[in-house]
Amino acid sequence: DAGVIQSPRHEVTEMGQEVTLRCKPISGHNSLFWYRQTMMRGLELLIYFNNNVPIDDSGMPEDRFSAKMPNASFSTLKIQPSEPRDSAVYFCASSLDRVSDTQYFGPGTRLTVL
Amino acid sequence: GQSLEQPSEVTAVEGAIVQINCTYQTSGFYGLSWYQQHDGGAPTFLSYNALDGLEETGRFSSFLSRSDSYGYLLLQELQMKDSASYFCAVRDQQAGTALIFGKGTTLSVSS
Repeated sequence: DAGVIQSPRHEVTEMGQEVTLRCKPISGHNSLFWYRQTMMRGLELLIYFNNNVPIDDSGMPEDRFSAKMPNASFSTLKIQPSEPRDSAVYFCASSLDRVSDTQYFGPGTRLTVL
Repeated sequence: GQSLEQPSEVTAVEGAIVQINCTYQTSGFYGLSWYQQHDGGAPTFLSYNALDGLEETGRFSSFLSRSDSYGYLLLQELQMKDSASYFCAVRDQQAGTALIFGKGTTLSVSS
């Protein structure tokens, strides 16, 4: 299997622009997680889906952030409008199910908002 | 709520043994996981403890004491390639059973 796939790997944008991050989980995995990693705050859970349904979005920082999972093989995380403080590495991870012990992380998207 | 505490940095030399501790507070505990992340890379799963005791996987071992809300990762025969950040994580009932990660411990192995 190719593992979790994320795109783009790097994104540089200007404040106010819309940013869309994409994720393809491992085939057969039913749970998908979006994390944000910064030096200050560490690895933060933003939102997670189980069987394409959002289960917990309490980590989404504010209304500028939204996430969708239209099918089992694709998810997006959108930031609109983006701000410099959104600069971080965004990871997508998937697991077999919501109680699986192991999560498999994608390579991440390094976002820089100028 | 939930919180995890682990040291921010640990240094050691090749061939040595190092222990990275983790204490946690959760509203409903299921198990303690450990992940490794090399600089610029993604976190990768190392181990999981649901029950008290020691789990061994090659040079790495992980320990859990549920009564003390404490665990550790033990790395033996350290190699330069073990230089990385190590995260403990718990599955928390309040977070809908998703994993919550500690801030990570940066391990630097020197020759």
